[in-house]
Amino acid sequence: EAQVTQNPRYLITVTGKKLTVTCSQNMNHEYMSWYRQDPGLGLRQIYYSMNVEVTDKGDVPEGYKVSRKEKRNFPLILESPSPNQTSLYFCASSSTSGRRANGELFFGEGSRLTVL
Amino acid sequence: QKEVEQDPGPLSVPEGAIVSLNCTYSNSAFQYFMWYRQYSRKGPELLMYTYSSGNKEDGRFTAQVDKSSKYISLFIRDSQPSDSATYLCAMSPMNNNAGNMLTFGGGTRLMVKP
Repeated sequence: EAQVTQNPRYLITVTGKKLTVTCSQNMNHEYMSWYRQDPGLGLRQIYYSMNVEVTDKGDVPEGYKVSRKEKRNFPLILESPSPNQTSLYFCASSSTSGRRANGELFFGEGSRLTVL
Repeated sequence: QKEVEQDPGPLSVPEGAIVSLNCTYSNSAFQYFMWYRQYSRKGPELLMYTYSSGNKEDGRFTAQVDKSSKYISLFIRDSQPSDSATYLCAMSPMNNNAGNMLTFGGGTRLMVKP
């Protein structure tokens, strides 16, 4: 089954404790991205990656890091989480080649993070 | 002012009603318009995809784009309780083969009551 898998789905942590949210896709997509979703603000892009070893900032990159060492994985790293990073996070991927390259994003099921 | 505006709702309708969901936008460069549906505790999934102005129909769903007014709509006919979800509009200036230029609306929560 084609899917984007995020872990953990739920996490409560404390300020300053480094954490990583993993994301993996099995569709051989070149493009991967991280969003956060907050009430009243909608989906905002944090970072994106056009391919392996190619990453770039989105609209709200402060406080986050990413890496893309393998095509299927795109982890989101919070080096020193703060309460304003409490949010619902989504990883997404899409194809950038061939007939299906129409910009359709495939989303994971989300990771709800609470920073105390 | 946000680039894409969408009434957050919630919009509550009885089963069988015709639902109209709308977004307005300010960037005249947007050419590609999408509607994503997001069920509770799930990620968004693409529902409809249209290019430029006009209508597109898929079963009970019709997407409409009016570029002159910078206004897009999603109509749901014969609404069902299973249509209860949050609907997000999204738009892009080009078919850039990736999602990095998508701008999302904030989403409208729809509740269809049996």
